[in-house]
Amino acid sequence: GAGVSQSPSNKVTEKGKDVELRCDPISGHTALYWYRQSLGQGLEFLIYFQGNSAPDKSGLPSDRFSAERTGGSVSTLTIQRTQQEDSAVYLCASSSGSGRETQYFGPGTRLLVL
Amino acid sequence: GDSVTQMEGPVTLSEEAFLTINCTYTATGYPSLFWYVQYPGEGLQLLLKATKADDKGSNKGFEATYRKETTSFHLEKGSVQVSDSAVYFCALSEGGTGNQFYFGTGTSLTVIP
Repeated sequence: GAGVSQSPSNKVTEKGKDVELRCDPISGHTALYWYRQSLGQGLEFLIYFQGNSAPDKSGLPSDRFSAERTGGSVSTLTIQRTQQEDSAVYLCASSSGSGRETQYFGPGTRLLVL
Repeated sequence: GDSVTQMEGPVTLSEEAFLTINCTYTATGYPSLFWYVQYPGEGLQLLLKATKADDKGSNKGFEATYRKETTSFHLEKGSVQVSDSAVYFCALSEGGTGNQFYFGTGTSLTVIP
């Protein structure tokens, strides 16, 4: 596709349920990032994948959060036993290399935990 | 560690006013510097970038110069428009292993007619 896509665009769930958020990066991009943006806040780094290297998980806020990247392409961010404080916009970005390359962002998934 | 500090908002300007959003950084090496913009209801998009000292990035009338001596990358525009109302994020990246991309907290700009 032409850009980074994310699905769903909006997700409403009940506290305690698990959710999966999907990111399709730009074809050929080896680096993929997940961020969280709470209302009126900046970007909070969550996790970074680069090629076949072990992901940098240093930003994940708790063990309820996990992410996978299958075949070096699509990524899924999973939040288990969701809490109300997990409500935020989850942004995915990809880039063609490590570090210095421009990140291209998807439109985000707006998650609301009731 | 690496970090980015940008001026806090919100910033409110009248149309055609001059804009400056300050950004300073801390880095161990020689990072690339970026400004991203987030229009209401949209994702982030790259506004401009500079990859080495004294480079000037420019786009849509915005510009920023990579100043190594002052570790700054201030965003400027000579005459803002209502359509420039958005949140602006300064960022740096050094490359290397692990996540090396750091964003500032964002500055909200509102331009009034």
